[in-house]
Amino acid sequence: GAGVSQSPSNKVTEKGKDVELRCDPISGHTALYWYRQSLGQGLEFLIYFQGNSAPDKSGLPSDRFSAERTGGSVSTLTIQRTQQEDSAVYLCASSFGTFSVGYTFGSGTRLTVV
Amino acid sequence: KQEVTQIPAALSVPEGENLVLNCSFTDSAIYNLQWFRQDPGKGLTSLLLIQSSQREQTSGRLNASLDKSSGRSTLYIAASQPGDSATYLCAVLNAGGTSYGKLTFGQGTILTVHP
Repeated sequence: GAGVSQSPSNKVTEKGKDVELRCDPISGHTALYWYRQSLGQGLEFLIYFQGNSAPDKSGLPSDRFSAERTGGSVSTLTIQRTQQEDSAVYLCASSFGTFSVGYTFGSGTRLTVV
Repeated sequence: KQEVTQIPAALSVPEGENLVLNCSFTDSAIYNLQWFRQDPGKGLTSLLLIQSSQREQTSGRLNASLDKSSGRSTLYIAASQPGDSATYLCAVLNAGGTSYGKLTFGQGTILTVHP
């Protein structure tokens, strides 16, 4: 597609429920990142996929968070047993994967846990 | 660990002023530096990308410079307009250490341009 697409754009969920956030990167982009932006905070790295390599999960805050990338394209970030502190904007970015190009971000998913 | 700092945290200026936003980073081992704009409730829009071997990039009224050795970048906005009001973020793509291959962001500068 023309840009990075994220869905849903907004999600309100009850504490304790599981949620899935989806990211469709730009076609042909091999690198994909998930970041989290909490209210008034900077962007926090969560996870990084590069081609067929094992993902870098070093930023995931707890074992309730997981992500997968199917077929080297679409990625899903799953948060199990959501907590109120999980409320944030979750941003996805993709790139061609070489370090000479920049990253294109999606519009994000605003998650609110009530 | 890479740390990125942006100064000032907030800036309010009248329309028409030229202004400078500052970004500093602690580890000069970077591949590139990217400036983004974020409007309230929106995602990030890329403004300028400077490779580590470059000194500056220009796009319209925007000019970004990079001094990798001193760990500094500036974003210059000429003839500011109310539509420039947004949060401006700088991010470095790390070339070494535990942050290798990851973007490290500053906290952003909130810019308000009033008519």
